[in-house]
Amino acid sequence: LAKTTQPISMDSYEGQEVNITCSHNNIATNDYITWYQQFPSQGPRFIIQGYKTKVTNEVASLFIPADRKSSTLSLPRVSLSDTAVYYCLVGAYNTNAGKSTFGDGTTLTVKP
Amino acid sequence: SAVISQKPSRDICQRGTSLTIQCQVDSQVTMMFWYRQQPGQSLTLIATANQGSEATYESGFVIDKFPISRPNLTFSTLTVSNMSPEDSSIYLCSVADRMWEDYGYTFGSGTRLTVV
Repeated sequence: LAKTTQPISMDSYEGQEVNITCSHNNIATNDYITWYQQFPSQGPRFIIQGYKTKVTNEVASLFIPADRKSSTLSLPRVSLSDTAVYYCLVGAYNTNAGKSTFGDGTTLTVKP
Repeated sequence: SAVISQKPSRDICQRGTSLTIQCQVDSQVTMMFWYRQQPGQSLTLIATANQGSEATYESGFVIDKFPISRPNLTFSTLTVSNMSPEDSSIYLCSVADRMWEDYGYTFGSGTRLTVV
C-alpha cells in the first residue's frame, strides 16, 4: 500500500485559494488518489478522487502530474467552515481487499 | 453514495465489559471496513468484514479482542471486548461505494467510546 506524506498543518484566510499537496512516491498502477475531509466528531467525508491529470467537481479540484507521485487538492475561495482535517489516500478498489491507508492528514485552519 | 447508520454514537463503559457497535448500510455493499481513530490521531484500519466468512484483521488487531460479524451485505457489528481505558477511541465503519470511482469510501459518523 502506498504511503502518503502531507503537511501537518496549513493556515489560510477566508476567500483565498488553498492548495494541499500529497506525496505518494510508490503509487501503484491501479491506485486512485482520493481526498477526504473530516470535522471533529464526524467520519471522513469524500471530497474528490482521480487517477490522472485533473479532476474538478463542485467543491474542489485535484491535480495529478504525469508521474502520479504527488497530487494537489485545490479548494477555491475557502470559508471558515472549511476548517477541518484533510486526508489524502492512495489505493485501488479491487486489490488487498480495496483498503487504503490513511496518512496523518493536514489540519487546515481558515481565519477571518 | 451509500448512507451508513452507525450505533451507538457514543458510550461510556466500565473496564472489563464489552460493547457492540452496529453498522447498517442502505444498500448492498461487497466490502465493509472497521477503523479506529484515537484522540487527535489519524484512522487505523482494524479489519475487513467479509460476508459469510471470518473477518480479515490487520497487524496488531485480533479476533478475540475485536470480534466482527457480517451476516449480510448491508450490516456488520464490531465488538470491543474486555475493555480497558486504552480502548477509548472513535470507532468507524466504512464501505466501498458501489460507484467507487465516483464516491470512494463512505464512512459512518463514528462511535465515541470512553472506557472508565
